[in-house]
Amino acid sequence: QVQLVQSGSELKKPGASVKVSCKASGYTFTSYAMNWVRQAPGQGLEWMGWINTNTGNPTYAQGFTGRFVFSLDTSVSTAYLQISSLKAEDTAVYYCARGRWRFDPWGQGTLVTVSS
Amino acid sequence: QSALTQPPSVSGSPGQSVTISCTGTSSDVGSYNRVSWYQQPPGTAPKLMIYEVSNRPSGVPDRFSGSKSGNTASLTISGLQAEDEADYYCSSYTSSSTWVFGGGTKLTVL
Repeated sequence: QVQLVQSGSELKKPGASVKVSCKASGYTFTSYAMNWVRQAPGQGLEWMGWINTNTGNPTYAQGFTGRFVFSLDTSVSTAYLQISSLKAEDTAVYYCARGRWRFDPWGQGTLVTVSS
Repeated sequence: QSALTQPPSVSGSPGQSVTISCTGTSSDVGSYNRVSWYQQPPGTAPKLMIYEVSNRPSGVPDRFSGSKSGNTASLTISGLQAEDEADYYCSSYTSSSTWVFGGGTKLTVL
């Protein structure tokens, strides 16, 4: 079955970097776009952008440029989200979600906690 | 891009119907049929319930239906069941080639 499995929770200090992985299975990885979505504690969903898994071209939403990088390793059907210069306000659950025109399925989410 | 507007909460008794609205603008909901709805029970990942305004993925009960009029989309859940209790989010494609979510609606089954 189609599945997205994300890496585990992370605890980081302010200023550090984190890389979240999203491993796809059950379908041809390069046939579907991959999105990233943020959910801060107790808050709603926020679309961060998407990456074309065919070309590797990323598109970032407003507010997610500069410190956020989407990347791929197609040899292992995995998408990555890297966040640098972490701030306390980056504390959130980060989800990957497959698809260009609808998001289905979603990964289980990765909690990134930024705290000194 | 501002978030789409949803009511913070709705409630209903088992067996009843509830409708959740999602209001956008002519730059998103009003211009595209790329409106989706997601269900998120507490502590879990979102799940696609409706796509392209009114289409249900396989496995989603036909108690869930979607519609759109002008700048407002709606999700209706009929025959409410206890398992429907969750947060619901709408999303829409926008004229900026981005996606925007609603603020979310907490559904309580009384």
